[in-house]
Formats: sequence, structure tokens, C-alpha cells
Amino acid sequence: DAKTTQPNSMESNEEEPVHLPCNHSTISGTDYIHWYRQLPSQGPEYVIHGLTSNVNNRMASLAIAEDRKSSTLILHRATLRDAAVYYCSLAGGTSYGKLTFGQGTILTVHP
Amino acid sequence: KAGVTQTPRYLIKTRGQQVTLSCSPISGHRSVSWYQQTPGQGLQFLFEYFSETQRNKGNFPGRFSGRQFSNSRSEMNVSTLELGDSALYLCASSFRDRGGTDTQYFGPGTRLTVL
Repeated sequence: DAKTTQPNSMESNEEEPVHLPCNHSTISGTDYIHWYRQLPSQGPEYVIHGLTSNVNNRMASLAIAEDRKSSTLILHRATLRDAAVYYCSLAGGTSYGKLTFGQGTILTVHP
Repeated sequence: KAGVTQTPRYLIKTRGQQVTLSCSPISGHRSVSWYQQTPGQGLQFLFEYFSETQRNKGNFPGRFSGRQFSNSRSEMNVSTLELGDSALYLCASSFRDRGGTDTQYFGPGTRLTVL
């Protein structure tokens, strides 16, 4: 399985943008890049996903490198509610129902 | 729509016992995946079921098994519990989007403690 590598922790101030990086140098051509976040005592929550092109939704933006070996989750204006563990994961198009998670990044947001 | 529900939320068992965990997916979702989350190993995929058939399986011993019913509800069973089975067990239901990938929606998990 392709692996993902993320920084263990990052900090941000409220109302500022946050860029969370992820390396996935062994990604295969059919792997989608998914981001999830997990708040304490909850299950992971879907944030965004993409294959090759950059993606935007109401929660965040996903920037994917041209060679697809890395990606960045962008939170445009961090709030205290965004403090969570953020996971970058890969999901193969033919690997049914399986997400491969990395160790995640603990995001701390300061008021 | 109601989210993914898991029962029970907390469970305490002793070594050697067996346990059954239940998951009700989001209405209309036919795929259910199970994950184990521990501080040391993180989130690890156990298996996935679709239309009552196991389509994918992770690297766990045979003590871990599951099944899915015709209404898409799923159960997982762990037999002969070991101390190392203490973990948060997460269930996720999903649908395959037009692009061909599964967006998974997770339940709150069942916290299993083995004494």
C-alpha cells in the first residue's frame, strides 16, 4: 500500500489560513487523495478528496502537485473548531472501501 | 439523513472472551468498512462489505470477522480476545461517486477495553 507522510503537529492562529502538507511519493495512478479530520472522542470526518486537479468545497481546498507526489489541505480561515487531527489518506480506485491512513497532523488553533 | 450509528459505544471484556460490535450505515449506503484505531498503530483497515459480501480485507488474524445483512447493517466479531485488541473500532459507510472513489462516513466508534 502507498504510504502518506505528514508533520506530527502544526499550529495556527484563529482567522489565519492553514496549509497542511502531505507527501505520498509512492502514489499509484488510480489512487485518490482523501483528507479526513478527527475531533476528540469522535470518528473521522470527511473533508475533501481529489485525483489530479485542485478541488474546493465549503470546508477546505485541496492543492495537488503536478506529479501527485504531494498535496496540501488549505483551511482558508482557521477557527477554534478546526482544531483536530488531520489525516491524509489514499484510496485506490479498485481497493474497495479501504482507506490507508498516515499518522496524521495534530492542528492546534490559538485564539 | 441519520449518520452512521455504532453499538455499543463502550465495552469491557476479559481475555479469552468474544465480542460482537454492530454498525448501522447511512440509509442508501451499501458499503460498510471497519477500522481499528490504537495509539500505537493508528487507523488500520479491517475489512469491507458490500451487498453481504466481503470485498476487501486487511492484515488482521482470523479472530477478526464480520458480516453484513440484507439491510446493509454490519457486525464484526472478535473471538478469543487479547489485551492488544483494546482499541476504538470504527465503522464507516460509503457510496462510490461518479469519479470512482468511495467517500466514507464514520460512526462514533465502539471503545473496547480488554482486561
